[in-house]
Amino acid sequence: EAQVTQNPRYLITVTGKKLTVTCSQNMNHEYMSWYRQDPGLGLRQIYYSMNVEVTDKGDVPEGYKVSRKEKRNFPLILESPSPNQTSLYFCASHSLSGTGGYTFGSGTRLTVV
Amino acid sequence: GENVEQHPSTLSVQEGDSAVIKCTYSDSASNYFPWYKQELGKRPQLIIDIRSNVGEKKDQRIAVTLNKTAKHFSLHITETQPEDSAVYFCAASKENTGRRALTFGSGTRLQVQP
Repeated sequence: EAQVTQNPRYLITVTGKKLTVTCSQNMNHEYMSWYRQDPGLGLRQIYYSMNVEVTDKGDVPEGYKVSRKEKRNFPLILESPSPNQTSLYFCASHSLSGTGGYTFGSGTRLTVV
Repeated sequence: GENVEQHPSTLSVQEGDSAVIKCTYSDSASNYFPWYKQELGKRPQLIIDIRSNVGEKKDQRIAVTLNKTAKHFSLHITETQPEDSAVYFCAASKENTGRRALTFGSGTRLQVQP
């Protein structure tokens, strides 16, 4: 089954403790992206990647890092999480040669206390 | 960058009525406009999309219209059913160029009353 898999689904952590949210897709998509969803703000892009070893900032990149060492994986790293990063995070992928929209992962609800 | 505004933020209709959600975008170079439905606790799922070379697209009870001149597009749901209750997001992007990011509207919570 074609899918984007995120882990974990829920995470509660403390300020300053480094964490990684994993994202993996099995559709051989070149394009992968991270979004955060906050009430009243919709989904905002954090980082994106057009292919292996090619990453770039989205609209709200501060406090986040990403890497794209393999085509299927695109982890999101919070090196020193702060309470304003409490949010619902979605990974998404897309084929650059396709005509469809994004395929989203199931989301990670992060709480930073 | 692109800015997408979406209205209304909440919409309540009776079962069987129609629902219309409207979005405007700022970047005239945007050429791809998808709509996503997000049920409570679930991921956004694509329900319909339209490209700038088309003015209208329909899929059963759902239709989308695009006015490039005015830079607005709308989602129309006819014969609404309780299972249509969800949050709907519009989005805009420039396919095949640059960042290709989807810029989302802030969402519309649709409630269909039985």
